[in-house]
Amino acid sequence: AQSVTQLDSHVSVSEGTPVLLRCNYSSSYSPSLFWYVQHPNKGLQLLLKYTSAATLVKGINGFEAEFKKSETSFHLTKPSAHMSDAAEYFCVVRGNNQGGKLIFGQGTELSVKP
Amino acid sequence: AAGVIQSPRHLIKEKRETATLKCYPIPRHDTVYWYQQGPGQDPQFLISFYEKMQSDKGSIPDRFSAQQFSDYHSELNMSSLELGDSALYFCASSFRGGPAPDTQYFGPGTRLTVL
Repeated sequence: AQSVTQLDSHVSVSEGTPVLLRCNYSSSYSPSLFWYVQHPNKGLQLLLKYTSAATLVKGINGFEAEFKKSETSFHLTKPSAHMSDAAEYFCVVRGNNQGGKLIFGQGTELSVKP
Repeated sequence: AAGVIQSPRHLIKEKRETATLKCYPIPRHDTVYWYQQGPGQDPQFLISFYEKMQSDKGSIPDRFSAQQFSDYHSELNMSSLELGDSALYFCASSFRGGPAPDTQYFGPGTRLTVL
């Protein structure tokens, strides 16, 4: 069965410094992986997705993630944090059954200090 | 671009009442998913439909039912509401016949409060 584990429940960075949100996955075969962002009292917005085309995936708002099979990781990074990046971030894996449900990690709350 | 529409956005009900949540997928999308996000929790899959047929079922209580209609919109019906049903309910849609069949786009959610 597929699962994802987000290694940090909360990350705090200063504005202008790099962001690293860590995610490990478990899957019996090549997974489809996603990062979604949820701002307070808002819906879920797709940041980026990995579907085996390229291991380094670029998303919106300057975010990117690298798929590392040897480490079963899919960490999310951004070179320079903005105040508007403060939100909850979810690492997500798609289930292998035909229904294709998404399985969410526990979420990482990103705080950005001025 | 058109997005997933959910209505109502907010709903307040009493215990033991019923509620109906509606979801209108992105035009041409053929698959609808429902998720429940409790306070401080990650979203949990409830149920999905493809071409009006149920395609997968998750941790959906027997008190809940859902269906997808001929125009592809979906409704989640919740009966005998309990305090623990208070949550944010998301609908997502995808297009299985498109270039990104596994990408789900989420609506803004319906916040249900049960008093």
